[in-house]
Amino acid sequence: AQSVTQPDIHITVSEGASLELRCNYSYGATPYLFWYVQSPGQGLQLLLKYFSGDTLVQGIKGFEAEFKRSQSSFNLRKPSVHWSDAAEYFCAVGAGYGGTSYGKLTFGQGTILTVHP
Amino acid sequence: ETGVTQSPTHLIKTRGQQVTLRCSSQSGHNTVSWYQQALGQGPQFIFQYYREEENGRGNFPPRFSGLQFPNYSSELNVNALELDDSALYLCASSRLAGNTGELFFGEGSRLTVL
Repeated sequence: AQSVTQPDIHITVSEGASLELRCNYSYGATPYLFWYVQSPGQGLQLLLKYFSGDTLVQGIKGFEAEFKRSQSSFNLRKPSVHWSDAAEYFCAVGAGYGGTSYGKLTFGQGTILTVHP
Repeated sequence: ETGVTQSPTHLIKTRGQQVTLRCSSQSGHNTVSWYQQALGQGPQFIFQYYREEENGRGNFPPRFSGLQFPNYSSELNVNALELDDSALYLCASSRLAGNTGELFFGEGSRLTVL
């Protein structure tokens, strides 16, 4: 069974500091990996995704993530955090196109990011 | 291009009642998935619909059921509501062919069961 672990429930950083949110996954085949962001009372917005190819993927709002198969990790990074980045971040793994569980993503528990001015 | 819209945004029910939540898919999308997000948790997959048929289901009892209509809109029905059904219910749409699993989420319907 697939699973996602986000070890950090809550992270606090100062505005302008760098950020890394950790994500570890368990999946039996080639994973399709995603990072989503959720602001309070809102739905989920896709930040970036990895399917194949270059293991460093760029997303919106200056975020990037690196897929490391040997470590089963897909950590999210941003070099300089803005106050507007405060939100909850979810890592997810899915089967991708073609599987019967195509629309099924397995999410981690989320990491709440607080940004201090 | 319109995004995924859900209704109602908030609702309160009592234990034992039934509820119907609605979702309009993003234009051009033919697959819809439903997720339950309890407070402080990540979303959990309920089921997915494609061509008006259920096509994948998570670990949810049969009292959770759904429909997909010819215009690709969808409903989630929950019977015999329990207190633990209180959650944010998220609808997500996607285009099955030529896609790689990316889902587009609505803002959710927040259900409170008293």
